Amino acid sequence: DTEVTQTPKHLVMGMTNKKSLKCEQHMGHRAMYWYKQKAKKPPELMFVYSYEKLSINESVPSRFSPECPNSSLLNLHLHALQPEDSALYLCASSQDQGAYEKLFFGSGTQLSVL
Amino acid sequence: QKEVEQNSGPLSVPEGAIASLNCTYSDRGSQSFFWYRQYSGKSPELIMFIYSNGDKEDGRFTAQLNKASQYVSLLIRDSQPSDSATYLCAVNLGDLTGNQFYFGTGTSLTVIP
Repeated sequence: DTEVTQTPKHLVMGMTNKKSLKCEQHMGHRAMYWYKQKAKKPPELMFVYSYEKLSINESVPSRFSPECPNSSLLNLHLHALQPEDSALYLCASSQDQGAYEKLFFGSGTQLSVL
Repeated sequence: QKEVEQNSGPLSVPEGAIASLNCTYSDRGSQSFFWYRQYSGKSPELIMFIYSNGDKEDGRFTAQLNKASQYVSLLIRDSQPSDSATYLCAVNLGDLTGNQFYFGTGTSLTVIP
């Protein structure tokens, strides 16, 4: 089973709204990731959690706030987003961080900011 | 500079033909190599990974790696219309202090019935 579950699949929000994206995996993976992908572009790393601790923040604006409540769950809290933040948000996980780890993606959340 | 380069295409092949997708990478520290398939509006799906020089086959897919030339390729035999998608090449640098996965911009493949 290589399933990473993301909810919601689609989200439309205004610039003053607060919303959260959720991600769950039950593969026992200890590294979890948030990526942002614009149309016809590769995924762009936002955050990495390793053993439930934030290990990498790729200089993401503070209107994006990640949270890892436990080893299976990853959230991305959104507040005061801009229209240019509209994109496909991808959660991913890997067994651990290392040279031979494989990255498995969830189904993504298509976000539109109005 | 850590770069992964792919020909963006579009690459068109007739049904039943072999599709050949290519990728080069700049960092000799790259340890492992991946091919993802991404349908429009969907998330990337891991279809092949390779760690050592040579060929690795899985069904209709063959991944080829040449570390000396910093080159990895994906062959799709007996291409089907359902193979029409964007294929992303990715490398894992194994850098635990920073971003470890680097993606190419993808090659768009269309299989013509």
